[in-house]
Amino acid sequence: KAGVTQTPRYLIKTRGQQVTLSCSPISGHRSVSWYQQTPGQGLQFLFEYFSETQRNKGNFPGRFSGRQFSNSRSEMNVSTLELGDSALYLCASSLGTGPNEKLFFGSGTQLSVL
Amino acid sequence: GNSVTQMEGPVTLSEEAFLTINCTYTATGYPSLFWYVQYPGEGLQLLLKATKADDKGSNKGFEATYRKETTSFHLEKGSVQVSDSAVYFCALSDQKNTDKLIFGTGTRLQVFP
Repeated sequence: KAGVTQTPRYLIKTRGQQVTLSCSPISGHRSVSWYQQTPGQGLQFLFEYFSETQRNKGNFPGRFSGRQFSNSRSEMNVSTLELGDSALYLCASSLGTGPNEKLFFGSGTQLSVL
Repeated sequence: GNSVTQMEGPVTLSEEAFLTINCTYTATGYPSLFWYVQYPGEGLQLLLKATKADDKGSNKGFEATYRKETTSFHLEKGSVQVSDSAVYFCALSDQKNTDKLIFGTGTRLQVFP
């Protein structure tokens, strides 16, 4: 069974640009959540989707958005990039939602904003 | 709000040494508690979890006990290996019906032969 796949693996952008990151969950998983990982702030929750609906959102500005498609694949978009958006963006999938669901993480997309 | 505090790293040990990584939490209600591990260049993997007070999670020789009286979930291993070198994250589930996790800042473990 393939794991969680995130593309691209690495991305370099300049300030002001926008970027779209993709996440393909494990087959059969319907829940996808996104996290931002930086050396200074650690791992912070961005948002969570289940059956194409956003169920939860972290404390990030409106420049960060996401969506989930009918096949459970998810994308997140960051507009008007800032230097501080440089981070590893991790996607996780699970069968359902709840504290006892096991999350499976992808290897992440490393975004560098110059 | 809910939060997780981990001991700062790096933790540097020789092979076969005993490991403890401290984790304490602040939360309302009864969250589930987790330890995740991140190997270089990879995403996070669930190491173990505990869903209620006094539960002990264990996996690959690692253990952690959910201590409600001390709001702690310390990670322990009796004899570490070089292959255990990684970053370890303590986390709690924020609410009952969500995948949202609140993570600690992570503790880097370096094991030398």
